[in-house]
Amino acid sequence: ETGVTQTPRHLVMGMTNKKSLKCEQHLGHNAMYWYKQSAKKPLELMFVYSLEERVENNSVPSRFSPECPNSSHLFLHLHTLQPEDSALYLCASSQEMRRGTEAFFGQGTRLTVV
Amino acid sequence: LAKTTQPISMDSYEGQEVNITCSHNNIATNDYITWYQQFPSQGPRFIIQGYKTKVTNEVASLFIPADRKSSTLSLPRVSLSDTAVYYCLVGGPIGGSYIPTFGRGTSLIVHP
Repeated sequence: ETGVTQTPRHLVMGMTNKKSLKCEQHLGHNAMYWYKQSAKKPLELMFVYSLEERVENNSVPSRFSPECPNSSHLFLHLHTLQPEDSALYLCASSQEMRRGTEAFFGQGTRLTVV
Repeated sequence: LAKTTQPISMDSYEGQEVNITCSHNNIATNDYITWYQQFPSQGPRFIIQGYKTKVTNEVASLFIPADRKSSTLSLPRVSLSDTAVYYCLVGGPIGGSYIPTFGRGTSLIVHP
């Protein structure tokens, strides 16, 4: 248990569906991240929030929409996804965004788009 | 952002010591070196971090030579449960902030 909780753990959705992934941390961290990990590929950074403000967006398609309502919660809203979006989506948090800071990851949501 | 190079895969046997070396030739003066472990279908987990010389904790040791252009993660007496992917990260600011950026990592397989 890392202190970062992601729900759901598994999700199967059709290409026309709308769903949301949730991430929650009560570690008192003020930076939160979304990563995508496709099969046999490195983790790809998607979004970064610091103090609830988005500070990084790595050219992610608009069918992925993040939301950070407060420093403890992070959402990833999904709509009209493609089969190639099937992957493990990981949320992480850290105390702050400086060198030497340890990132704590959740268990991930395994997303399958059919 | 400092680029890291690690072996793609390694094999070992239970009870052996495993050393995984990471090259980071363009590491910046105030960059830290951090290693993470990832099991299948789970998020990465922090193992150890260092700046120079040697760091040891209950899980591993990290050796960093004086020029800091490489680092070696040492896992003593591995077991089957150490089979995982190991990532070497070197700090790199984006807009003044550091964001953990992962490469391909080293897939370690421990055999009975």
